[in-house]
Amino acid sequence: ETRMTQSPATLSVSPGERATLSCRASQSVSTNLAWYQQKPGQAPRLLFYGASTRATGVPARFSGSGSGTEFTLTISSLQSEDFAIYYCQQYNNWPWTFGQGTKVEVK
Amino acid sequence: QVQLQQSGPRLVKPTQTLSLTCAISGDSVSSNTLTWNWIRQSPSRGLEWLGRTYYRSKWDNDYAVSVKSRITINPDTSENQFSLQLNSVTPEDTAVYYCVGVRGGVFEYWGQGTLVTVSS
Repeated sequence: ETRMTQSPATLSVSPGERATLSCRASQSVSTNLAWYQQKPGQAPRLLFYGASTRATGVPARFSGSGSGTEFTLTISSLQSEDFAIYYCQQYNNWPWTFGQGTKVEVK
Repeated sequence: QVQLQQSGPRLVKPTQTLSLTCAISGDSVSSNTLTWNWIRQSPSRGLEWLGRTYYRSKWDNDYAVSVKSRITINPDTSENQFSLQLNSVTPEDTAVYYCVGVRGGVFEYWGQGTLVTVSS
């Protein structure tokens, strides 16, 4: 099973600042990597697939990059609605697996 | 636009069976491009994929090793929905359960989630 490790566990950022979240796979997942955002009391929402392709309605301040085992989600200028938990998920190797999440909180 | 609506009991006694249903609108449970999945989320386990059902000229299922002996996921074509049954539950099965429509490995469409508590 492919293990997904996200860092940091918690990221404290001020509104308007840049946030950089990391996701590492225990073996190559090519670019078969998705990112999800989850707010309290809500289901996760798809942000990216194919490592860097935004899902419908995702603002341009969000960007995704990486391939193989190292991936990054960047939020260029944090807005109030971006404070949430972010999960990566690989779909290259069966079974699909999720990271444990990075919580982005207000500094 | 695919929408998923979950229903089912929120409290289940230990040793009994957890049962949830997910009604699909905007697509078909017999879709050739989507699979229909159940995931659960708990503080101790994070997001844990449980299993799926899908139609590709015939019906098939896949289940997580961790629950394979206790789980059944069934499609219901007459109601355009699918269901989860998890037998012999323990307090460790307490979690928020989600039904999810998955395309090509990407978890695109999520139900609203159901917090199921296992307690006597």
